[in-house]
Amino acid sequence: EAQVTQNPRYLITVTGKKLTVTCSQNMNHEYMSWYRQDPGLGLRQIYYSMNVEVTDKGDVPEGYKVSRKEKRNFPLILESPSPNQTSLYFCASSSPYGEGISGYTFGSGTRLTVV
Amino acid sequence: QKEVEQDPGPLSVPEGAIVSLNCTYSNSAFQYFMWYRQYSRKGPELLMYTYSSGNKEDGRFTAQVDKSSKYISLFIRDSQPSDSATYLCAIENTGGFKTIFGAGTRLFVKA
Repeated sequence: EAQVTQNPRYLITVTGKKLTVTCSQNMNHEYMSWYRQDPGLGLRQIYYSMNVEVTDKGDVPEGYKVSRKEKRNFPLILESPSPNQTSLYFCASSSPYGEGISGYTFGSGTRLTVV
Repeated sequence: QKEVEQDPGPLSVPEGAIVSLNCTYSNSAFQYFMWYRQYSRKGPELLMYTYSSGNKEDGRFTAQVDKSSKYISLFIRDSQPSDSATYLCAIENTGGFKTIFGAGTRLFVKA
């Protein structure tokens, strides 16, 4: 089954304790992206990657890091989480447009609470 | 001003009603216009997309884009309780790596 898998689904952590949210896709997609979703603000892009070793900042990158060492994996790293990073996070992947646009395939989300 | 504006609702309609969901956007450089549907506790899923202006129909769903007024619409005919979800509009640049989402409209279809 074609999918984007995120782990964990739920995470409660304390301020300052480094954490990593993993993301893996099995569709051989070039593009991967991380979004956070907050009430009233919708989905905001944190970082995106156009291919292996190619990453760039989205609209809200502060406090986050990413890496793309393999095509299928795109982990999101919070080096020193703070309470304002409490949110619902989504990983997504897609192929470049050509015939048969696919849009983004999203994971099921990771609900992060930082106390 | 947000780049994509969308009324958050909630919008409540009876089963069988025609639903109209709308967004406005400000950046005319974006060429792809999408609608995603998000059920509770799930990730968004692509429902429909259009390229540039015009209409696109898929079953009970019609997506419409008017680039002159920067207006995006989704119409749902014969709405069903299973259509109850949050609908997010999105604009995307050529290349597909920059997607900007609206805040989403919550829709409730009552049986």
